[in-house]
Amino acid sequence: GENVEQHPSTLSVQEGDSAVIKCTYSDSASNYFPWYKQELGKGPQLIIDIRSNVGEKKDQRIAVTLNKTAKHFSLHITETQPEDSAVYFCAAPSLHDKIIFGKGTRLHILP
Amino acid sequence: SQTIHQWPATLVQPVGSPLSLECTVEGTSNPNLYWYRQAAGRGLQLLFYSVGIGQISSEVPQNLSASRPQDRQFILSSKKLLLSDSGFYLCAWNRGAQAEQYFGPGTRLTVT
Repeated sequence: GENVEQHPSTLSVQEGDSAVIKCTYSDSASNYFPWYKQELGKGPQLIIDIRSNVGEKKDQRIAVTLNKTAKHFSLHITETQPEDSAVYFCAAPSLHDKIIFGKGTRLHILP
Repeated sequence: SQTIHQWPATLVQPVGSPLSLECTVEGTSNPNLYWYRQAAGRGLQLLFYSVGIGQISSEVPQNLSASRPQDRQFILSSKKLLLSDSGFYLCAWNRGAQAEQYFGPGTRLTVT
């Protein structure tokens, strides 16, 4: 089955700088890679996803890149703002309709 | 549009008491449904998932059980709660693992 590794576990960046979170996966058959943002006390929210037929996808200040050969994908947040502070999870599909999540990255935006 | 509901939002229960958490999805049919538990500051642990009415797959052996009595209803239960059952319980749905998954608002359970 799929295995997803996420790094770093904690990330602090100055407001206005960029943040990058990286994930690797093990199953070369996986073709859908979502990213979730979880604010304190709330359920995770899907913020962006990418399918294996593209290498990059952007939505305003967030982007996701995918390297299928190396089996890794990354979340990029530019011009970070205080409201970007949250826990971010990457994920990949596994057998029998399960989704495997990374362990999460706690992002702190410093004033 | 689709929405997912969970209740209650918070729950405080004594050790040994029963538990019933409910999740319902609106605006779609035949969804895959999932129960996750999240300990404080930790990741998402998949507990159960269901691809159809009456079909339940368990990921972690424990004193919890799940049922799907209707297409868009998923229930998490326990006959006797343990202290270790405390956590944030999340329900989610999707149309398959290669599709977007959407989470409910969660239930904060504290076992005392």
